[in-house]
Amino acid sequence: RKEVEQDPGPFNVPEGATVAFNCTYSNSASQSFFWYRQDCRKEPKLLMSVYSSGNEDGRFTAQLNRASQYISLLIRDSKLSDSATYLCVVRNQGGKLIFGQGTELSVKP
Amino acid sequence: DTAVSQTPKYLVTQMGNDKSIKCEQNLGHDTMYWYKQDSKKFLKIMFSYNNKELIINETVPNRFSPKSPDKAHLNLHINSLELGDSAVYFCASSQETSPQETQYFGPGTRLLVL
Repeated sequence: RKEVEQDPGPFNVPEGATVAFNCTYSNSASQSFFWYRQDCRKEPKLLMSVYSSGNEDGRFTAQLNRASQYISLLIRDSKLSDSATYLCVVRNQGGKLIFGQGTELSVKP
Repeated sequence: DTAVSQTPKYLVTQMGNDKSIKCEQNLGHDTMYWYKQDSKKFLKIMFSYNNKELIINETVPNRFSPKSPDKAHLNLHINSLELGDSAVYFCASSQETSPQETQYFGPGTRLLVL
């Protein structure tokens, strides 16, 4: 079983749609959680950290459920520029970042 | 004023050759990393250095040897290249003491072994 699992997609949505990505992780001792974004043929960039209480940054909302070992990312009012691969990332107790395979999002006009 | 830079961006070479990829960060970070992203897009850590000392060394063939001449540089040397080494290699850096220790990635080096 992979340490971090995501639905690879692709998710094809129209502009303005709300889309949700899910992620599960296997190591209950994981310490920190993040969503990174990777554009085609570019490097990953931090989108947002994920906190236990849930957190929001504009149109993006991240949730963490430690009991279920589940992380989510909600994008409201999708824009064309949101098209990218979204990587669920977990830091384990050794300090390593473990990346999920990524979920590909394509927002169409 | 690129934060994390890598050279070269593209590398096409024959099996059996030896090649190096260079990485530099100007963020003043104390930790640097090498990641490999394969054709299935999985990004996996290979090595991590903190203040020039190796702290993470994943199960990577010993044909791969990282070298950190100072804390702003982490180079990756690969001996006897194999077809399976074809991938995108990303360098990254972070500041260990920052609250969430965000990692900043370089633009990647696309390696193709023929």
